[in-house]
Amino acid sequence: LAKTTQPPSMEAYEGQEVNVSCSHTNIATSEYIYWYRQVPHQGPQFIIQGYKDYVVNEVASLFISADRKLSTLSLPWVSLRDAAVYYCIVTPLGGSGNKLIFGTGTLLSVKP
Amino acid sequence: GGIITQTPKFLIGQEGQKLTLKCQQNFNHDTMYWYRQDSGKGLRLIYYSITENDLQKGDLSEGYDASREKKSSFSLTVTSAQKNEMAVFLCASSPGTGGPYEQYFGPGTRLTVL
Repeated sequence: LAKTTQPPSMEAYEGQEVNVSCSHTNIATSEYIYWYRQVPHQGPQFIIQGYKDYVVNEVASLFISADRKLSTLSLPWVSLRDAAVYYCIVTPLGGSGNKLIFGTGTLLSVKP
Repeated sequence: GGIITQTPKFLIGQEGQKLTLKCQQNFNHDTMYWYRQDSGKGLRLIYYSITENDLQKGDLSEGYDASREKKSSFSLTVTSAQKNEMAVFLCASSPGTGGPYEQYFGPGTRLTVL
């Protein structure tokens, strides 16, 4: 499974756009990229997933570089409720039950 | 929509005790998972199950047993609690394993061993 590298922490002000980067230089052709976030005392929550190019949903957008070694999660107009740990996960389909390997993530702090 | 319920929310045990954690989902999902999260760290997979009565070991299965007697429920047993152990156990489910499915997580069970 590809290893991921994220910044340990980030800060932003309410209303700002936040971009969280994730490096996965050894990503395999069978692997997808997932982003989850976790607020204290709750389980992780799925944000978005993608394989290549650009994916957008009602919560966030995900840009994946052409060589798929770097992905960037973009959160528009963050609020205090977006303060959480953000996890970038790379995992292959099928095998091992789609096991998710969580690293230590990026702690996003949001200031009013 | 659906929900994942974990019981109990808090579990306090004694060293050497056998402890059971329960998880229920009403998504009608095929696959269920148990993860452990230590303070300030990411999640580690203990067991998963792709269908009723199926069990697959994860990276951290030693010291744990699991049971999937019904599609909607997945139990985890700590076979012998370790003194001063503190962790959160998270249950998750997903529709299957063949596609890029997201996993839905419960709120967790917080374990403290005295």
